[in-house]
Amino acid sequence: EAQVTQNPRYLITVTGKKLTVTCSQNMNHEYMSWYRQDPGLGLRQIYYSMNVEVTDKGDVPEGYKVSRKEKRNFPLILESPSPNQTSLYFCASSLYGPGHSPLHFGNGTRLTVT
Amino acid sequence: GNSVTQMEGPVTLSEEAFLTINCTYTATGYPSLFWYVQYPGEGLQLLLKATKADDKGSNKGFEATYRKETTSFHLEKGSVQVSDSAVYFCALSPGDYKLSFGAGTTVTVRA
Repeated sequence: EAQVTQNPRYLITVTGKKLTVTCSQNMNHEYMSWYRQDPGLGLRQIYYSMNVEVTDKGDVPEGYKVSRKEKRNFPLILESPSPNQTSLYFCASSLYGPGHSPLHFGNGTRLTVT
Repeated sequence: GNSVTQMEGPVTLSEEAFLTINCTYTATGYPSLFWYVQYPGEGLQLLLKATKADDKGSNKGFEATYRKETTSFHLEKGSVQVSDSAVYFCALSPGDYKLSFGAGTTVTVRA
C-alpha cells in the first residue's frame, strides 16, 4: 500500500531534550516536506526537500533541522525543543512537487513540549 | 508574498444543504490552486485542483473555479452528506516547491 508513515503518533517531551520524528514514504517520490498545523493558522511549511541531499527552508524553519540522506526518509529533528513547538506535525510527499502532483500526507505526530 | 484567505468556520449544515466555502488568494504570477480535505484523525488529501484561470476542478460532487479577476477559488457542493464533515483547506502553489495553505474551515453536516 502506498503511504507516508510518521512515527511516533504522539510524543510528550520536556524543554531542551532533543527529539526526532521519522517520516518514510514507499512511493519513490522526489519531493518531501514537513508542516506544522496550529489552530487558526492552518498548515505552515517547515522544510522541504526536492531530492536526496537537497533541502530548503519553508516559512517557519527556526528551531528545526532536517536531512535527506535517502530518497524514502525525511526525519525532522528538534535539537532543543521549546513549548512553542507544541503542535501537530505532518510529513508529506509528492512525485515532483506540490504544484505538479498531489501531496500525500502521513497521519500526523502530535508533539507536546512541557 | 503568497497567501490564502478562507472563510472562518465552523460551518454547520443539515444533510442535502448547499455548501460554499470562500477562498481568496494573493500571489504574483499564475499560481495553481487546490482544495485539500482532512477527515478526523487523518492527514490531508487532495480534493481538487485548478492550474490556470477559468479552470474548474471537480471531485466527489465538489467544484471550484479558478477566477483570476476576483482572485478566488470558492468550493461548492450542491448536496452535502454527513460523510462530508471534515476540515477543508484552500492552498496555493506558485509553481516552485512551496505550498501555502489557508487556515482551514471546519464543516459539520448533521443528519
